Amino acid sequence: AQTVTQSQPEMSVQEAETVTLSCTYDTSESDYYLFWYKQPPSRQMILVIRQEAYKQQNATENRFSVNFQKAAKSFSLKISDSQLGDAAMYFCAYRSPRSQGNLIFGKGTKLSVKP
Amino acid sequence: GAGVSQSPSNKVTEKGKDVELRCDPISGHTALYWYRQSLGQGLEFLIYFQGNSAPDKSGLPSDRFSAERTGGSVSTLTIQRTQQEDSAVYLCASSLSGGAFTEAFFGQGTRLTVV
Repeated sequence: AQTVTQSQPEMSVQEAETVTLSCTYDTSESDYYLFWYKQPPSRQMILVIRQEAYKQQNATENRFSVNFQKAAKSFSLKISDSQLGDAAMYFCAYRSPRSQGNLIFGKGTKLSVKP
Repeated sequence: GAGVSQSPSNKVTEKGKDVELRCDPISGHTALYWYRQSLGQGLEFLIYFQGNSAPDKSGLPSDRFSAERTGGSVSTLTIQRTQQEDSAVYLCASSLSGGAFTEAFFGQGTRLTVV
C-alpha cells in the first residue's frame, strides 16, 4: 500500500522569504500522480500544484514550485516570496491511476508566515 | 452552484444517534468523494462515486457508515449509532471526471462532534 509522509508538522517563514515543505512517499508503482493541497482555517482544501510522475520537468504555478525526485520518492513544495495569505495547512497527496477515487494524504504541515 | 456545498457546517449529536451529512457537488461533475479528517491527521478516504458505476466503498471504516448519491448529483453520508471516535471533519469533493490527474474541488466540510 502506498504511504505519504510529511516530516515537518510545523514550519515558519518570514514574509517575502522562501520556504520548502518536505514530502516523501512509498510506492511500487512507476506511474502515479502527486498533489499539494492547501487548507486555510476555512477548512476548504485548495489545489496548489500537481505533478505527473512520468514527467521529468518540475511543475510550477506562479510562486509555487516542486522539486520532484522520482528515484528518491520525494516531492517537496517551494513557496517563493511568501505572503501572509500563504499561512495554512499544506497536505501532500498521492494518487494511483488504478485507484482513481483514492487520494492518499500525508498528515500535513502547518505553515506560519511572520510579518 | 459555484462550488461544492456541504451541510450542515457543524453538527453536534449524542452518542448512539444517527446523522446525515449532505454534499452538493459542482454541477456537471461526475465524480464525488467523501473523506474524513480527524484532529491532527490527514484526510482518510471513505467512498468514491463515479457516474453510474458501483461506488468504491473500500474506505468506509465500519458498517455503521453508508453513502448514497441520488441522480448522479447530491450525496448523503449516513453514520448510524454514532460513537465518539466518529468526531471529525467530513469533507466532500467532486471532479469533472474520474481521471486520476483531474483536480478535485473540496467543500468546506461538516464538523461532527459526538458527545
